[in-house]
Amino acid sequence: GQNIDQPTEMTATEGAIVQINCTYQTSGFNGLFWYQQHAGEAPTFLSYNVLDGLEEKGRFSSFLSRSKGYSYLLLKELQMKDSASYLCAVTDSNYQLIWGAGTKLIIKP
Amino acid sequence: NAGVTQTPKFRVLKTGQSMTLLCAQDMNHEYMYWYRQDPGMGLRLIHYSVGEGTTAKGEVPDGYNVSRLKKQNFLLGLESAAPSQTSVYFCATASGGPDPNTGELFFGEGSRLTVL
Repeated sequence: GQNIDQPTEMTATEGAIVQINCTYQTSGFNGLFWYQQHAGEAPTFLSYNVLDGLEEKGRFSSFLSRSKGYSYLLLKELQMKDSASYLCAVTDSNYQLIWGAGTKLIIKP
Repeated sequence: NAGVTQTPKFRVLKTGQSMTLLCAQDMNHEYMYWYRQDPGMGLRLIHYSVGEGTTAKGEVPDGYNVSRLKKQNFLLGLESAAPSQTSVYFCATASGGPDPNTGELFFGEGSRLTVL
């Protein structure tokens, strides 16, 4: 079966750096997404990786290793507003989008 | 520019009642999706549409029906609601292209449905 694994919950301190990991086992690969979802709100797009390597976008970076079935989202200079769930999703060989359960990130002052 | 709008935002139903959720978009997107989100689980695709007049089943279609008579609207119907359908429902759109699910999804605000 197809599976995406993320930690359920993480805690970090304001101003620090946190890395949220995502591992996947899917039938083929056509890209990996990260979305942010604040409590009670809709998911919003953060990043898309289809090739190996690091994509940087401001305080957020996303890394992909296709050979390892692994990605991470790196958040720098954490702010209280970064408290949210972070969803990892993979497009498989049939162009179906498979979602992880999400990682709830708690930022403490 | 409203983007993706879902109505209603909240609804409480009794078992066996029917209802329709409406998703309206002003982004001129081809693809539209209905997802449900339950605690501890990833988003699960119910039905989707790749264009006006077309619909297809997703991962969890049982108990739901959909229609896309107009490009901008995607309706999700529950014919006979069950407590297992208590969930938060999200509509999403994408601009389309040769390969689905390789571009950003734009989500509505969600509709919280409780079935008693």
